[in-house]
Amino acid sequence: SQQGEEDPQALSIQEGENATMNCSYKTSINNLQWYRQNSGRGLVHLILIRSNEREKHSGRLRVTLDTSKKSSSLLITASRAADTASYFCATGAQGSSNTGKLIFGQGTTLQVKP
Amino acid sequence: NAGVTQTPKFQVLKTGQSMTLQCAQDMNHEYMSWYRQDPGMGLRLIHYSVGAGITDQGEVPNGYNVSRSTTEDFPLRLLSAAPSQTSVYFCASSRGQTLTYEQYFGPGTRLTVT
Repeated sequence: SQQGEEDPQALSIQEGENATMNCSYKTSINNLQWYRQNSGRGLVHLILIRSNEREKHSGRLRVTLDTSKKSSSLLITASRAADTASYFCATGAQGSSNTGKLIFGQGTTLQVKP
Repeated sequence: NAGVTQTPKFQVLKTGQSMTLQCAQDMNHEYMSWYRQDPGMGLRLIHYSVGAGITDQGEVPNGYNVSRSTTEDFPLRLLSAAPSQTSVYFCASSRGQTLTYEQYFGPGTRLTVT
């Protein structure tokens, strides 16, 4: 079963606008990660937020985590055409602790129009 | 460093054929994983390894075998290819437990089974 589910599935915005993607998960987690995938390429790690953190920044990226609602959001500010990609959240598998099972959501496809 | 490399980039198989997808990393990472990516399904974990000689099953292990004889290599074997195994396959590595450390992905192998 999927641990993380992203919303919306697809998002189209104009360059310069902000883009917000949401991720919901089912069980308690230690960390949550966000990845980006450009078309036809492998995934690239963006940011990791720990369960005791509420917000984390990296350049134009802002990630929030609400463990009470079991949700996270990824905000990309001042978007650029190069931000066009799919974005995935990933968390630990249900019941896992120190295993290698990282489960990915289905992703949000972001299109930034020039 | 080359990072994570995968071969081949593309492959077409007939139903019932077997083949091995190669994955190698030169970062001395202990953890390696295989995922498949299907449209609308996100990434699903097939098998993973927490070190040489140690492998375990992910979400969708049926029809696939893995071994980890060295730290660098983590091949994925399709025993008897089926059309349902048509997918894009990604190998990933991380220096520690995947819930805690970022994963580095290879460029993927696009497999078609006819």
